[in-house]
Amino acid sequence: NAGVTQTPKFRILKIGQSMTLQCTQDMNHNYMYWYRQDPGMGLKLIYYSVGAGITDKGEVPNGYNVSRSTTEDFPLRLELAAPSQTSVYFCASRTAETQYFGPGTRLLVL
Amino acid sequence: AQSVTQLDSHVSVSEGTPVLLRCNYSSSYSPSLFWYVQHPNKGLQLLLKYTSAATLVKGINGFEAEFKKSETSFHLTKPSAHMSDAAEYFCVVTPSGGYQKVTFGTGTKLQVIP
Repeated sequence: NAGVTQTPKFRILKIGQSMTLQCTQDMNHNYMYWYRQDPGMGLKLIYYSVGAGITDKGEVPNGYNVSRSTTEDFPLRLELAAPSQTSVYFCASRTAETQYFGPGTRLLVL
Repeated sequence: AQSVTQLDSHVSVSEGTPVLLRCNYSSSYSPSLFWYVQHPNKGLQLLLKYTSAATLVKGINGFEAEFKKSETSFHLTKPSAHMSDAAEYFCVVTPSGGYQKVTFGTGTKLQVIP
């Protein structure tokens, strides 16, 4: 099993551009999450999903959108990139007891 | 409501000496508690977890943690630090069975001095 995969690994965006961060898991987990990690901070929850077709906001959802059309995929969309969205983004899925994290996407908005 | 506080942002130990990383939590529910490790430019790896079974939890790489309800603590320890333990460590709390509310601590950077 590949676990949780994320693409791209690194991206530079200009202010106002849009992009989609991809996340796929092959463990058939219902729960999936998007976090951002800023320097010196813990992870902040952006959005989460409890299953295909169901998503909800986390702690810091502004400027992001998500969709969950399949169990495997949980893409994160940035519509109008801003410098404040420069961060490392982690996708995760979980079982009843454990979260599994992807390797992260480093995003730089200039 | 729930929160988690990692009491030290940086900890420095000599190789071969004990490691103690402190974590205090608050939760309105019965909690599940986790420790994750993140090596530089890497994702997060689960070290160990407490999910209302034994209060002393053993994890990977010789780490263990003890859940102390009376002290609302879940400190991470290791008897002898290794150079490869240098990383950032995160304490995480969730309600038992509550998959939405996942709260991360701000992290503790562990430095191991040769």
